[in-house]
Amino acid sequence: GDSVTQMEGPVTLSEEAFLTINCTYTATGYPSLFWYVQYPGEGLQLLLKATKADDKGSNKGFEATYRKETTSFHLEKGSVQVSDSAVYFCALSDRNQGGKLIFGQGTELSVKP
Amino acid sequence: NAGVTQTPKFQVLKTGQSMTLQCAQDMNHEYMSWYRQDPGMGLRLIHYSVGAGITDQGEVPNGYNVSRSTTEDFPLRLLSAAPSQTSVYFCASSYAIAGSTNTGELFFGEGSRLTVL
Repeated sequence: GDSVTQMEGPVTLSEEAFLTINCTYTATGYPSLFWYVQYPGEGLQLLLKATKADDKGSNKGFEATYRKETTSFHLEKGSVQVSDSAVYFCALSDRNQGGKLIFGQGTELSVKP
Repeated sequence: NAGVTQTPKFQVLKTGQSMTLQCAQDMNHEYMSWYRQDPGMGLRLIHYSVGAGITDQGEVPNGYNVSRSTTEDFPLRLLSAAPSQTSVYFCASSYAIAGSTNTGELFFGEGSRLTVL
């Protein structure tokens, strides 16, 4: 079945460092891809999304490009802030599987001042 | 705008007890779902509903029941709690129904932390 694999955390960075969180997926159809973020003590919220190959999703300085050839959707940010400390989840939604959202295991990011 | 509201936020149960986690949304979303979040395992889908009167199983449905009598409410019932059900539970809803124009853009509640002793 469909699945999502993320790099393991925790990831610890200094403020203003460059961030990459790797995400790869397996899907039988043509999924939409998402990054969700969970701040401490809160539910998940959508960070960005891409619905077809080569689309780039972006929000709050974060970017991710849908790469069909490598089945990847890596999350990047050029300069992280302490306020970016959170858990990041990569996810896919495949219409061939009823459109349900399938999540990766999450990657915890800690940004130090 | 309240969004997705879950109650209770915290609950401690003894093995064998039953309880219901409540979920309500005020966005007129057709799609609602329940996930559990466990360390190192991400979120796993328990049950979901594409509209009132319609429910279906997700990845880990055993030990849980759901019903959807109204568009707004989607309670999750634990019939006989087990320590393996200790987890954080999230309810989430979406504008569109699965298989139609589902964008996958879920709106989450703040979670319910359940401990089963």
